[in-house]
Amino acid sequence: DAGITQSPRYKITETGRQVTLMCHQTWSHSYMFWYRQDLGHGLRLIYYSAAADITDKGEVPDGYVVSRSKTENFPLTLESATRSQTSVYFCASSEAGDHNEQFFGPGTRLTVL
Amino acid sequence: DQQVKQNSPSLSVQEGRISILNCDYTNSMFDYFLWYKKYPAEGPTFLISISSIKDKNEDGRFTVFLNKSAKHLSLHIVPSQPGDSAVYFCAASEAGTALIFGKGTTLSVSS
Repeated sequence: DAGITQSPRYKITETGRQVTLMCHQTWSHSYMFWYRQDLGHGLRLIYYSAAADITDKGEVPDGYVVSRSKTENFPLTLESATRSQTSVYFCASSEAGDHNEQFFGPGTRLTVL
Repeated sequence: DQQVKQNSPSLSVQEGRISILNCDYTNSMFDYFLWYKKYPAEGPTFLISISSIKDKNEDGRFTVFLNKSAKHLSLHIVPSQPGDSAVYFCAASEAGTALIFGKGTTLSVSS
């Protein structure tokens, strides 16, 4: 599929479990981003990556791990899920350079019980 | 401390009228501003942007105005249509940094 995809779209897990959310883009965009959307907070940046093997923290990185071994993939791992990580997670990508539009995936709704 | 603020959580407008969504920012280093639209169960989609060297950008029914001295931007939708009902996010960035999003404003357009 062309564009940016996320999997799974819905996930229910238990506190303490490890969960990995997948993100794949077919545009060969250099930049990729992970956001979480919560009521009353809007979209908050978790981690981003400027290129393969280059990642950096965003506003709310605690409890999350990312990797970027290939340009097209940017998985987000919750090493030990907590209830506060219940959220909708969005992956996005953009071309290199300043002020480029970010394209968002459809989101993953994660519930931690 | 919020750098991008959308102080109105919701806005209701009648079809055919103008919708005005507002956004304030605190960081004077922001030089690029964007509006994204989001429908339920979908990712945000880019709507319109403006550089700090401009004070207005227009794209069809959508116009964004930037007032740098007031650190304020607004999105005007004219005429509003029921399909415009969505959450609208304002976002801002400095050169080379990630976007900072506001909390969003839910627009409801009634027919």
